[in-house]
Amino acid sequence: AQSVTQPDIHITVSEGASLELRCNYSYGATPYLFWYVQSPGQGLQLLLKYFSGDTLVQGIKGFEAEFKRSQSSFNLRKPSVHWSDAAEYFCAVGEVIQGAQKLVFGQGTRLTINP
Amino acid sequence: NAGVTQTPKFQVLKTGQSMTLQCAQDMNHEYMSWYRQDPGMGLRLIHYSVGAGITDQGEVPNGYNVSRSTTEDFPLRLLSAAPSQTSVYFCASSHSNIQYFGAGTRLSVL
Repeated sequence: AQSVTQPDIHITVSEGASLELRCNYSYGATPYLFWYVQSPGQGLQLLLKYFSGDTLVQGIKGFEAEFKRSQSSFNLRKPSVHWSDAAEYFCAVGEVIQGAQKLVFGQGTRLTINP
Repeated sequence: NAGVTQTPKFQVLKTGQSMTLQCAQDMNHEYMSWYRQDPGMGLRLIHYSVGAGITDQGEVPNGYNVSRSTTEDFPLRLLSAAPSQTSVYFCASSHSNIQYFGAGTRLSVL
């Protein structure tokens, strides 16, 4: 069965500092991989996705992620965080079975930004 | 373009009451799904549908019913609410393997 692990429940960084959020997955084939962001009281917004091809993918809001098959990882990075990046971030792996796409989410990482 | 619309945004129920969480999408997506979000557990799939008239169970279906009579609507029914169903519920629709989420319904069962 698929699974997703986000090892860091809570991360605090200073505004302007770089950020890396970790994500490890367990899946037999090449997965569909996603990062979503959830601001307080809001729904989930897609930051970026990986389906195939270039292993470094660019997303919205200056985020990027790198797919590393050998490490079963899909870490999210940003060179310089802004106070508005404070939110909860979810990594997810998806598979399509009989036309139905199912997402399995990690536990989430809450990001706090220090001014 | 409204996307995925969920109603209500907040709801408080007493144990044993029933209610329906509404979900509608205007993007003509065939695939729709319901998730619940609990602290420290991410989102877990409750039920999903690949088109009108077709539904199936996800990871945590017990206590919930769904139906899909139209492409646009995918309501989630709680027949007899329990405190364990206190959660935030998200509906999503999907196209080209990308899921789009509604704003959520926060449900408390007392």
